[in-house]
Amino acid sequence: GAVVSQHPSWVICKSGTSVKIECRSLDFQATTMFWYRQFPKQSLMLMATSNEGSKATYEQGVEKDKFLINHASLTLSTLTVTSAHPEDSSFYICSARGLAGPDTQYFGPGTRLTVL
Amino acid sequence: GNSVTQMEGPVTLSEEAFLTINCTYTATGYPSLFWYVQYPGEGLQLLLKATKADDKGSNKGFEATYRKETTSFHLEKGSVQVSDSAVYFCALSGGSGGSNYKLTFGKGTLLTVNP
Repeated sequence: GAVVSQHPSWVICKSGTSVKIECRSLDFQATTMFWYRQFPKQSLMLMATSNEGSKATYEQGVEKDKFLINHASLTLSTLTVTSAHPEDSSFYICSARGLAGPDTQYFGPGTRLTVL
Repeated sequence: GNSVTQMEGPVTLSEEAFLTINCTYTATGYPSLFWYVQYPGEGLQLLLKATKADDKGSNKGFEATYRKETTSFHLEKGSVQVSDSAVYFCALSGGSGGSNYKLTFGKGTLLTVNP
């Protein structure tokens, strides 16, 4: 149980285009979802926290107009990278928090974004 | 704010060797401490956790003890297997400087176990 999926697993796009990444909790309802960014050989950096039906809370330094987050249901959150540029190339990981406790997060496998 | 420092990798061991991956943290108050593991091609999975000082988390032969006096949460396993090859992340949440659901991660340590 407690499976989180991400789609796509990898994507290549041209500079200036927008890319949408989906995060789904497959067998539980996620009250909160998190989006992380991971650079090579670096730790996961929290980008934003989203609660179903409300606006996402972004971490300091993360451009909310650049990284649009929508949490439309208890099982789906999306991250849209708008007008992507090569510096946005990274590994994006989502996690979902269910009802098992505030410190229990279940992670998706990640999405590799490459912007040409 | 909260921070986590863990042993730089990569770590390469032979099967049945003893494993230690060091992790120290900076936080005020009493954070919860975690070890996550990421197998190739998969998402992070919670390996073990400890929520208060002197607690020992354990799972799949791995252990870590919450040491507040040394602000450490070192991961150990007495006899590693090839299947333990993965990236290991130390993390914390809570404490006086953070919420109880935001995770702060270390950089990760790549472990490779050879047969």
